[in-house]
Order: sequence, then C-alpha cells, then structure tokens
Amino acid sequence: RKEVEQDPGPFNVPEGATVAFNCTYSNSASQSFFWYRQDCRKEPKLLMSVYSSGNEDGRFTAQLNRASQYISLLIRDSKLSDSATYLCVVISGGFKTIFGAGTRLFVKA
Amino acid sequence: ETGVTQTPRHLVMGMTNKKSLKCEQHLGHNAMYWYKQSAKKPLELMFVYSLEERVENNSVPSRFSPECPNSSHLFLHLHTLQPEDSALYLCASSQGFQAAEGIPTDTQYFGPGTRLTVL
Repeated sequence: RKEVEQDPGPFNVPEGATVAFNCTYSNSASQSFFWYRQDCRKEPKLLMSVYSSGNEDGRFTAQLNRASQYISLLIRDSKLSDSATYLCVVISGGFKTIFGAGTRLFVKA
Repeated sequence: ETGVTQTPRHLVMGMTNKKSLKCEQHLGHNAMYWYKQSAKKPLELMFVYSLEERVENNSVPSRFSPECPNSSHLFLHLHTLQPEDSALYLCASSQGFQAAEGIPTDTQYFGPGTRLTVL
C-alpha cells in the first residue's frame, strides 16, 4: 500500500460545479496535512493547511478524518482557473514529507 | 514571488559532467529541502536540512551530493548522472518547527525548479 494515495482523475467538471477529492494515508502517526496546487510545468503552491477541526477558505474546504486516515478537499462553484493538479501532502514525524501523486482537475466552460 | 529562487532554471548535461544546482530562500526559514519530480510520478523527497544539518536522506544515490553552507542556501552537486535522472528538481524551505497537536506547521514554499536533462 502506498503511504499516500490519491485518485489521479482526471476530474472533468463544468463551471459552477462542486467537486471533492480524497487522499488516504497509511501512517497513523502522521502529524501535518496540506493541500497544494500545481499548475502545468510550475512548482507546487500551498493551497491550504488541513486542521483537525476542518477549515474553510472561500470556496475551498479541507477536512481531516484521523479515524479513517484520510483528508479531503471540497471546491465549490468551480472556476476555470481552478484547473490544476491538486496534491495532498502528509508529514509523518520529523521532516518526512510525502506527496500524493496528485489529482488532475479540468473545469470547463 | 521571490521567496525561494533556484538557478539555473534549465540544465542539459552529459553523463560525465559535474554541475551544481543552487537554491536560495529569503524567508528566514530554518529548513530546506530537495525534491525530484519525474514525469507522472509523485514528488520524491531527496534531502532535508534543518539548521544546516542534514536530517533526512532518502536513499538517494551518491551521484547526488547536497550541501547547505548556511540556512539561506542549499546546493545539489551532480556527478556522473544517468539519463533516468532527468527530472524537475525542486527546492523548498519551511520554518522547520515541529507540529503541535492539531496545528499544522512546516508549510513548505517551493522554488520554481530546475529542469534537468541528462544526455
């Protein structure tokens, strides 16, 4: 089993749709969780941290479920500019950082 | 954004060459990272330096040699690489503090990367 797993997609959604991604992790001792966004041929950029209590930033909501060992990202009212690859990141002890392979999202007019 | 810079942005080298990648962070961070991103693969963590000491070394071949002379600079020295080493090499930095319960830290900020081609 991979340490961090994501559905690679692609997810093809119309503008205005709501889309959700999940990411599962295998190490129950994992400490920190993030969602990054990566545009084609660009570096990853932090989208949001994932807090135990869940957090929201505008159209984006992140949740952490420690019991089932997954994090989720919900995007409401999708925009064309949301098209990108979304990477989940898990930090498990010290500086051990593991990236998921990413989920590709295409938002179409 | 100029928080983390990398040079060169593109590099083509032969298998017998020696070259170095440079990363500089202007964020006052204490930890710096090297990642490799190959096509259709997840980012792979290569090395981590915290306060100029190497704290992670993920079984990277010895033809990759990192150097961290101070908390703002990180190098990756390359020697006798193989064509399969062609990839995007990304540098990142973070504050480097351990996460308290339920409070994520170690948010990493990435440089633009060096696209390396080994012939």
